[in-house]
Amino acid sequence: QPVLTQSSSASASLGSSVKLTCTLSSGHSNYIIAWHQQQPGKAPRYLMKLENSGSYNKGSGIPDRFSGSSSGADRYLSISNLQSEDEADYYCETWDTNTQVFGGGTKLTVL
Amino acid sequence: EVQLLESGGGLVQPGGSLRLSCAASGFTFSTYAMSWVRQAPGKGLEWVSSISGSGGSTYCADSVKGRFTISTDNSKNTLYLQMNSLRAEDTAVYYCAKKVGGFATQTHYWGQGTLVTVSS
Repeated sequence: QPVLTQSSSASASLGSSVKLTCTLSSGHSNYIIAWHQQQPGKAPRYLMKLENSGSYNKGSGIPDRFSGSSSGADRYLSISNLQSEDEADYYCETWDTNTQVFGGGTKLTVL
Repeated sequence: EVQLLESGGGLVQPGGSLRLSCAASGFTFSTYAMSWVRQAPGKGLEWVSSISGSGGSTYCADSVKGRFTISTDNSKNTLYLQMNSLRAEDTAVYYCAKKVGGFATQTHYWGQGTLVTVSS
């Protein structure tokens, strides 16, 4: 089954940009993933679906500041013009024929 | 508007049982796969179990296989998770989640969660 690897933490300054990475395990580099955001004390929220090609499809109401891209087994979530409300945990998700998998999450701190 | 409202969480002793419910609205319930995802205190998200829209197919993480059972009542637009033989490591917030289509698609909507605490 696929495994998703994420850095445990990241930080960037208010108004700057950041790129978070989710890496698919060997043999699963063509898998589609999804990104979710979890602000402190809240339930997760769906951000986007991201394909191997780099094509992404955002959820309703997700700001233009959020975008996705792909390179090989790596799936990226980019956030531009960082706002204080972007400080959150970010999780990637994928699935197989009979299992669903989440990455360990990246805690983003906005300085 | 999609709404998912979980209930049934609480404090239970090790070895005990609990049934979680998730009342869904704002979409045709029987059309979409549904999941339970949990989050232990201070930890990340962990998939628990999923069920197809028809209820005919179920999927379960190894960590809960044989102890937890997922089901739906399409007449009530409600998702359930029957949890037996509970252990301390099952302590978590349990989220109900809707997929964008069948099982092999992404999670699209999340409920607010219900806390399950397993402790003596």
